[in-house]
Amino acid sequence: QSVLTQPPSASGTPGQRVSISCSGSSSNIGSNTVNWYQQLPGTAPKLLIYSNNQRPSGVPDRFSGSKSGTSASLAISGLQSEDEADYYCAAWDDSLPFWVFGGGTKLTVL
Amino acid sequence: QVQLVESGGVLVKPGGSLRLSCAASGFTFSDYYMNWVRQAPGKGLEWLSYISSSGNTIYYADSVKGRFTISRDNAKNSLYLQMNSLRAEDTAVYYCVRETYSRSYFDYWGQGTLVTVSS
Repeated sequence: QSVLTQPPSASGTPGQRVSISCSGSSSNIGSNTVNWYQQLPGTAPKLLIYSNNQRPSGVPDRFSGSKSGTSASLAISGLQSEDEADYYCAAWDDSLPFWVFGGGTKLTVL
Repeated sequence: QVQLVESGGVLVKPGGSLRLSCAASGFTFSDYYMNWVRQAPGKGLEWLSYISSSGNTIYYADSVKGRFTISRDNAKNSLYLQMNSLRAEDTAVYYCVRETYSRSYFDYWGQGTLVTVSS
């Protein structure tokens, strides 16, 4: 059971906008920034969004992140087939203290 | 370019020991915090351990505390994970991960090395 809670699955059709939620607590998301990682099938995870809403160089602006209170969200607009992957949220937890991940959300492009 | 290359993953019997290595290149290794993260087959990501740039600050997940030891050799640009008292549930791909600065984010991941614990 993960400290951060994500829906196990999400889906959308090409061109659609989808959103993936990540719920935590005051000691993690409520106190620290949230990062998102994308894991394409058979590959290592890759940084997708950092510091709640920042995109690393090379990440399309179709990907955006937001945070409010103890929850965060990843949005993908203009969904493409290559976006089919597992997505994980993560944050530092002050109470533990260490990094915590969400359980991951498998995104399917229909 | 930044490269993190893990090695040392093998098939090991329950109760056995193993040391994973991560060779870093393309950046000043001694400037960065480093972590180990694992992923069991078909499962999600699990953070395991964190070591500060100097090695003075170390944290472990409860699941490996007392069994695993993280260390680094800044002169050799290398990160290590000594794994003792291995269990079947330690079977996973182990990733070496760079942290941009303390408590920030993981900006580079290695390709992973598979550890299988089975009799």
